[in-house]
This record gives sequence, C-alpha cells and structure tokens, in this order.
Amino acid sequence: QQQVKQSPQSLIVQKGGISIINCAYENTAFDYFPWYQQFPGKGPALLIAIRPDVSEKKEGRFTISFNKSAKQFSLHIMDSQPGDSATYFCAAVRDDKIIFGKGTRLHILP
Amino acid sequence: GAVVSQHPSRVICKSGTSVKIECRSLDFQATTMFWYRQFPKQSLMLMATSNEGSKATYEQGVEKDKFLINHASLTLSTLTVTSAHPEDSSFYICSASPGRVSYNEQFFGPGTRLTVL
Repeated sequence: QQQVKQSPQSLIVQKGGISIINCAYENTAFDYFPWYQQFPGKGPALLIAIRPDVSEKKEGRFTISFNKSAKQFSLHIMDSQPGDSATYFCAAVRDDKIIFGKGTRLHILP
Repeated sequence: GAVVSQHPSRVICKSGTSVKIECRSLDFQATTMFWYRQFPKQSLMLMATSNEGSKATYEQGVEKDKFLINHASLTLSTLTVTSAHPEDSSFYICSASPGRVSYNEQFFGPGTRLTVL
C-alpha cells in the first residue's frame, strides 16, 4: 500500500518529442503528488506538483495528468530538449509520509 | 530564494571513522529538515526527520545510534555517520522546510557523496 510504481526505468526521446513518465500509487490517503528532476551529482529539484482534486496541471512544457480513479499520474514533457536529460522521480505525499518512485532516466537525443 | 546548502559535497574516509555532514538553509528558517540516502541509480530513501530543538524521528530500519542527527538551530542540521563502514557509502541528501513535517514544501540540498574505504 505504500509503494509508488514508476515506469519506464529509462527513456530515450528525440529532441522536440514528447517524453511521458508514468506513476501509480496504491494508498488513497496520499494527497499531494510532486515530480522532481535530478541531475547527476545534484539534489532533486521540485519540477511540478498536483493535488488529487485537479485532473491536469500545466507549467510551461511540463504537464501532470492525474487519474484519481485509476490511482495513476503522469508527467509529460513537451518539445523535449537535451537539457531535459536527467532522472525524474515521482512521489506521493500524505501528512506523515513521502514515498518516491524508483526514478526514470531520461535521455533526449540532440 | 529557498536555497539549501550541504557541506562537504564529497568526503572520503577510512572505515571506522566518523563523518559529519552539514545542511544549511541559507535564506529561510527551516523548522523541519529531512535526511535522505540515495544509492547509485536508486530512489531516495527517507532516513529521518528532525525538528529544530527536538530529537529526530528515524524511519524504520535506520539505526539512530549510527546516524546521529542534530538540528540545533533553524538554519542548521547535521548528520554524523559514526564508525562508518563501506556499506555506508552513499549519496546523502538533506532537505529543509519552513513548516512542520511539510513534505509538500521541502527544498533539497545538492547532496554529499560519502565514500568509505
């Protein structure tokens, strides 16, 4: 019940393409779903986040789609750029717990 | 704003020695600080949560006598890995939040790479 399953493990996308990373959770008590971007040797940085009362949130080229009934959420990166190459983590949060997905290594081909 | 620093960024030590890692919130007061551990190509695992002026709360399976956490001020928390062994080699990341146990609003430091020989 505490797991957050993230897929794919790694992803290669052509420059200008759409990168899609998916996450699924089990515990309906989670009420905040952030995505983090991490470059090698650096700490994660919050990219975008959503609450379950909203089905979609967009910030620039980054969009979260949220399906409450399916307990799934995904990150879409539009017009992917080489600078987007990083590891992306989804997470699920409730008051006393944060659970991270295992991460997706994204590589954007120039 | 919301900058968190860690020092050192890298440390190499001999087995059996202790290592201290500092985490500082540079432009805000951090009521809560979190310590994470990340193995290569793996996810972040929360080790402990500390609130300024009180004892840290450790996650299940984390040895509190091995990983000593001190949160003495609103801008500084330290993690001391005592009697380090090679299996303690990892990337240690702190985060800080202005609220109490607020995972929603945590700002991560750049991490410290610990290598125990």
